[in-house]
Amino acid sequence: DAKTTQPPSMDCAEGRAANLPCNHSTISGNEYVYWYRQIHSQGPQYIIHGLKNNETNEMASLIITEDRKSSTLILPHATLRDTAVYYCIVFNTGTASKLTFGTGTRLQVTL
Amino acid sequence: EAEVAQSPRYKITEKSQAVAFWCDPISGHATLYWYRQILGQGPELLVQFQDESVVDDSQLPKDRFSAERLKGVDSTLKIQPAELGDSAMYLCASSSRTGVNYGYTFGSGTRLTVV
Repeated sequence: DAKTTQPPSMDCAEGRAANLPCNHSTISGNEYVYWYRQIHSQGPQYIIHGLKNNETNEMASLIITEDRKSSTLILPHATLRDTAVYYCIVFNTGTASKLTFGTGTRLQVTL
Repeated sequence: EAEVAQSPRYKITEKSQAVAFWCDPISGHATLYWYRQILGQGPELLVQFQDESVVDDSQLPKDRFSAERLKGVDSTLKIQPAELGDSAMYLCASSSRTGVNYGYTFGSGTRLTVV
């Protein structure tokens, strides 16, 4: 599975959009981009995933560049409850693949 | 919403003792995973099951760790003997390979402290 690079930490003011970047320059054609988050002392929670088109759900939007070498997770109106570690993972949903976590981005939402 | 159940939530044990964790995946999920998360790091896969069979246990320290999923439903992860370095969060996850794949669903984990 391809490796991802994320900034170790980011801050965001409550009510503002949080834009979390991720580089995955070695991604291959059959690999999806998945985002999970982990709130303190809980298990990781699925947020969103995509292959090449931009995706949106009730939690977030995912913007994937045309060359698929990077992506951005957007939380449109961050709240204090969005404070968490966010993991960007490149994942091939074939049977031999596994979800492999890096160290993620620690997002701190402040008043 | 369906959840992955794990117990106990917290466990304190003395080094050299045996300890076990239990996981009940989402009903119908054939694939089950055990992860270990050391404080400040991302989760690391220990073992993957497909039904009752081990698919990958390459990162499982087999001299002291064992995992089983006898009937292909719930699973137990055991450590014997526990060492101080085993202090971590142990996470269980499950996934379904059929239909739309939303990745893995994780439980809340078991936080192990070895003293």
